[in-house]
Amino acid sequence: GEDVEQSLFLSVREGDSSVINCTYTDSSSTYLYWYKQEPGAGLQLLTYIFSNMDMKQDQRLTVLLNKKDKHLSLRIADTQTGDSAIYFCAERSGYGNNRLAFGKGNQVVVIP
Amino acid sequence: DTAVSQTPKYLVTQMGNDKSIKCEQNLGHDTMYWYKQDSKKFLKIMFSYNNKELIINETVPNRFSPKSPDKAHLNLHINSLELGDSAVYFCASSQRAGGSYEQYFGPGTRLTVT
Repeated sequence: GEDVEQSLFLSVREGDSSVINCTYTDSSSTYLYWYKQEPGAGLQLLTYIFSNMDMKQDQRLTVLLNKKDKHLSLRIADTQTGDSAIYFCAERSGYGNNRLAFGKGNQVVVIP
Repeated sequence: DTAVSQTPKYLVTQMGNDKSIKCEQNLGHDTMYWYKQDSKKFLKIMFSYNNKELIINETVPNRFSPKSPDKAHLNLHINSLELGDSAVYFCASSQRAGGSYEQYFGPGTRLTVT
């Protein structure tokens, strides 16, 4: 089955870059996603990457995918206080049922 | 315009009671989901419906019964509530066929069982 691992906590100064890492186990994953959860709110889809890509850039966000090592990262450039949240990576199984397996989340705290 | 909405946002109830959480999406998606997020923020899928048909049913006690009257609605009924049911429940929706299948989440329902 799918298993997604994330580290727990990251503190970063405003204006710096932050990098959040994630490893997954299901080699059949077709899409990998990054979601953001602000306190008391639902999950907001930030970006996703298809498994045949190794990089995707979307404004301040850069997603890197190392399929060989099953490693996914999210880089946030010029981190803002509004980026303080919990970030979840998720993988979609390749088996057609659109099941998402989520990591445990990584809390990012931006220090002004 | 709210894409995925849930009611209620907060629900406090006593053990043994039966309660329902409602979910509606106006995105025209054909697949809807229920997730449970525990106190450690771990998020796990419970159910998924595609066009009113159950397609994912994880190992969830049968006290939990989803109902989908149409493809825009997926409600969750919970019988005989237990303390361990306290969590935040998220509804989500996606388009099943084609594209990147991204799931859009509702704001969550915080259930507290006392």
